[in-house]
Amino acid sequence: NAGVTQTPKFQVLKTGQSMTLQCAQDMNHEYMSWYRQDPGMGLRLIHYSVGAGITDQGEVPNGYNVSRSTTEDFPLRLLSAAPSQTSVYFCASNLAGAHEQYFGPGTRLTVT
Amino acid sequence: AQTVTQSQPEMSVQEAETVTLSCTYDTSENNYYLFWYKQPPSRQMILVIRQEAYKQQNATENRFSVNFQKAAKSFSLKISDSQLGDTAMYFCAFMKLNTGANSKLTFGKGITLSVRP
Repeated sequence: NAGVTQTPKFQVLKTGQSMTLQCAQDMNHEYMSWYRQDPGMGLRLIHYSVGAGITDQGEVPNGYNVSRSTTEDFPLRLLSAAPSQTSVYFCASNLAGAHEQYFGPGTRLTVT
Repeated sequence: AQTVTQSQPEMSVQEAETVTLSCTYDTSENNYYLFWYKQPPSRQMILVIRQEAYKQQNATENRFSVNFQKAAKSFSLKISDSQLGDTAMYFCAFMKLNTGANSKLTFGKGITLSVRP
């Protein structure tokens, strides 16, 4: 049972490049979420999903796309990276009706 | 919308002593959960303790306990017998108790705790 996994662990992008941050969980959790962590800001919710085929926006969704085609995977796409998207990104999952979220190890993204 | 405030950016404590981390929140909800998460230098987010708002009894987990004051909207974390491994950033977080809203954690800005040997 690997829990929540994220790839890559580190990434450097140039402004305007696109990329996908991968997130997978093997706990059969219905709910999955993406957060970004910036110094002095705590974690802020980007997008979340309550099940396959269902996604919704969080607090800071601009510049990010998500889709949920399977229960296990919840990728986060940056279509045109900007320096303001330099951050640490966390994926989390939880069972519907349960309130403990399990976090992945994070991806540190730098956009130059 | 909910807000979570952690007004102390840093704290330091001597090993084996007790330290209290403060958190206040603002919400119009009556049913919700409050959490404290620990983030050590490894970056991993670790759940420390959870409190259900409908429970009057304060939650405890070994050396960790909370002082939950619902009317004052205050949720502090007490760490007893501090250990070097407690050195980390600590986040207070809020979640509404509502179907469909289970994925929405609102975090405070965090506090960096250093335990001195």
